[in-house]
Amino acid sequence: SAVISQKPSRDICQRGTSLTIQCQVDSQVTMMFWYRQQPGQSLTLIATANQGSEATYESGFVIDKFPISRPNLTFSTLTVSNMSPEDSSIYLCSAISPGQGSDTQYFGPGTRLTVL
Amino acid sequence: QQPVQSPQAVILREGEDAVINCSSSKALYSVHWYRQKHGEAPVFLMILLKGGEQKGHEKISASFNEKKQQSSLYLTASQLSYSGTYFCGTKGRTSYDKVIFGPGTSLSVIP
Repeated sequence: SAVISQKPSRDICQRGTSLTIQCQVDSQVTMMFWYRQQPGQSLTLIATANQGSEATYESGFVIDKFPISRPNLTFSTLTVSNMSPEDSSIYLCSAISPGQGSDTQYFGPGTRLTVL
Repeated sequence: QQPVQSPQAVILREGEDAVINCSSSKALYSVHWYRQKHGEAPVFLMILLKGGEQKGHEKISASFNEKKQQSSLYLTASQLSYSGTYFCGTKGRTSYDKVIFGPGTSLSVIP
């Protein structure tokens, strides 16, 4: 299994500023992802964080708005840039831990972002 | 493409059983089930790989019908701790494909 931690756990930010969220996994994982979850809604995949190369973004998400880094196998950051109130959400880091015959995907505790 | 879940919400009394369904319009490699309590991260319950296997976790089990591209989560003798939102996630084609999550099923267990 993998234990995922995120920092910060929550933040309140002003419109137009940027916030970087850090994700640390306690063991080497094969893949890392960033999701967004609006209150009462499902989990929406933002991008796959690729180690040593540019992230792979889902439709509707762009690198200029959500730059992602993954410098090694256990750490990734997501930056929410030029924030607006519409960016208020919970951002979750997720990682796949290789297992016997199946790959389990785990989630971090999330970062609750409020943009004023 | 996002899988479909049913029902959208269900209320149970302690000890009752429930079934949550998940279906996809495309061929699936695996189905993943998670439970999320309010204000917490989703917690992994189980994975079902193509092959029609059934798995169990305490009093929670699940089945996967690969041909119908459907999975069902069975909760038996429900406990108060089972309350939360249940998400199914589907992965198509290969193990390296991304997991797409359904809209969730809200389950409330009352005394």
